[in-house]
Amino acid sequence: DIQMTQSPSVLSASVGDRVTLNCKASQNINKYLNWYQQKLGEAPKLLIYNTNNLQTGIPSRFSGSGSGTDYTLTISSLQPEDVATYFCFQHNSWPDTFGAGTKLELK
Amino acid sequence: QVQLKESGPGLVQPSQTLSLTCTVSGFSLTSYHVSWVRQPPGKGLEWMGVIWTGGSTAYNSLLKSRLSISRDTSKSQVFLKMNSLQTEDTATYYCARTYNSYFDYWGQGVMVTVSS
Repeated sequence: DIQMTQSPSVLSASVGDRVTLNCKASQNINKYLNWYQQKLGEAPKLLIYNTNNLQTGIPSRFSGSGSGTDYTLTISSLQPEDVATYFCFQHNSWPDTFGAGTKLELK
Repeated sequence: QVQLKESGPGLVQPSQTLSLTCTVSGFSLTSYHVSWVRQPPGKGLEWMGVIWTGGSTAYNSLLKSRLSISRDTSKSQVFLKMNSLQTEDTATYYCARTYNSYFDYWGQGVMVTVSS
């Protein structure tokens, strides 16, 4: 199975900061990488699919990039409502697997 | 609008079988796949399996021997059955509409506790 490693596990940042979350796959996943946001007590929400495609309705401050084994989610200007845990997810190889998540907090 | 809602027992005894239902609206099960994802308390997400638009299924290899996903298209319902439950199966179980391998709509989730 492909292992997805997210870093950091916890990130503290201030409102307005540019924030970068990382996700590393144990092998090439050919950009089949999605990002989900989960706020406390809620179901996850799709932010980005296939590395860099913004889901409808998601603010443009969110963006994704990467290739091969290394991927990033960037929030250009952190907002209070962005406090959440962010999960990456690969669907290149069965079984599809999630990363363990990065918890984003306000400093 | 698109909605998914999970239902089922909140408490299951060890070694018993879990049965969950995902009732969908706003889309057809013959047009979109539906996946199940679970999340133990305070932990990460685990993809469990999917039922494709044609009715075939695929499962996480770690769960395959215990898991079954089926559907009733006339009732817009997807079913999950998992046997031989253990305490580590305690989790919130989500169903999610699946399009091109991404989950674009999720249910609210149902918390299942495995305990005697």
